[in-house]
Amino acid sequence: KAGVTQTPRYLIKTRGQQVTLSCSPISGHRSVSWYQQTPGQGLQFLFEYFSETQRNKGNFPGRFSGRQFSNSRSEMNVSTLELGDSALYLCASSFSGRGDTEAFFGQGTRLTVV
Amino acid sequence: GESVGLHLPTLSVQEGDNSIINCAYSNSASDYFIWYKQESGKGPQFIIDIRSNMDKRQGQRVTVLLNKTVKHLSLQIAATQPGDSAVYFCAEISDGLTFGKGTHLIIQP
Repeated sequence: KAGVTQTPRYLIKTRGQQVTLSCSPISGHRSVSWYQQTPGQGLQFLFEYFSETQRNKGNFPGRFSGRQFSNSRSEMNVSTLELGDSALYLCASSFSGRGDTEAFFGQGTRLTVV
Repeated sequence: GESVGLHLPTLSVQEGDNSIINCAYSNSASDYFIWYKQESGKGPQFIIDIRSNMDKRQGQRVTVLLNKTVKHLSLQIAATQPGDSAVYFCAEISDGLTFGKGTHLIIQP
C-alpha cells in the first residue's frame, strides 16, 4: 500500500510570507502528527489531528496551525515566516495515534526561509 | 519537563562489529518505546518497539533492551553493515511521540 506522502518536497520562501504543507496519510489511518526537525533541536512535536480534530499540540507559537480533512489528509500552515522556521517538516500517520500502533513517516518537506 | 535523550551524538563502529546505541528517558509513565532509523534525505523509519512490561525484544539483527529501574533504553545492532549508517532516534509514547535528539551511527570499513 502507498506510504505517507508529503508535498512539496522542497520549498523556498522569504521572511514574512506564509506557507502551506500537505500530508496524505496511509489509507485507513486517521491520526496525522506533524514534527519539525532541525539540527539543533531534533524532532519536535507540532500537533496531532485525529478525525478532523486537533487532539494534541506541542509548544509552538500560534503562527503554526493545521487542519485535517474528512479523508484524513492534513495540511499545516506557517504564517509570517521567520528565518528560524527553516527546517524539515515531517508528518506521521497511524491508525489511532495513541501509541498502540506504529507511526509511519513521510519523507518530509524541506522548508528554507531566506 | 519530560525528555528523552541519547547519550552520544555520534557512534563510529567497524563493519561487522556490534553497535549499541543508548537512550535515557525521564517520564516513568511512558509505557511504549520505539527506535527509529533516519537515513539521509528520508523520514524516520520504524525499527523496533518495546512495551514497558517487557525487558527485551528481538528483531532481525536488532535487539532492544529496557531497564525501567534506571529509565534506560538501548538498541543493539548485530554485525553492523554499511546500510546501517543513519541517525537513530529513540522515542517514548505518553501523550504523543517524544523523540531524543538522535545518534549518528557511522560504519567504518
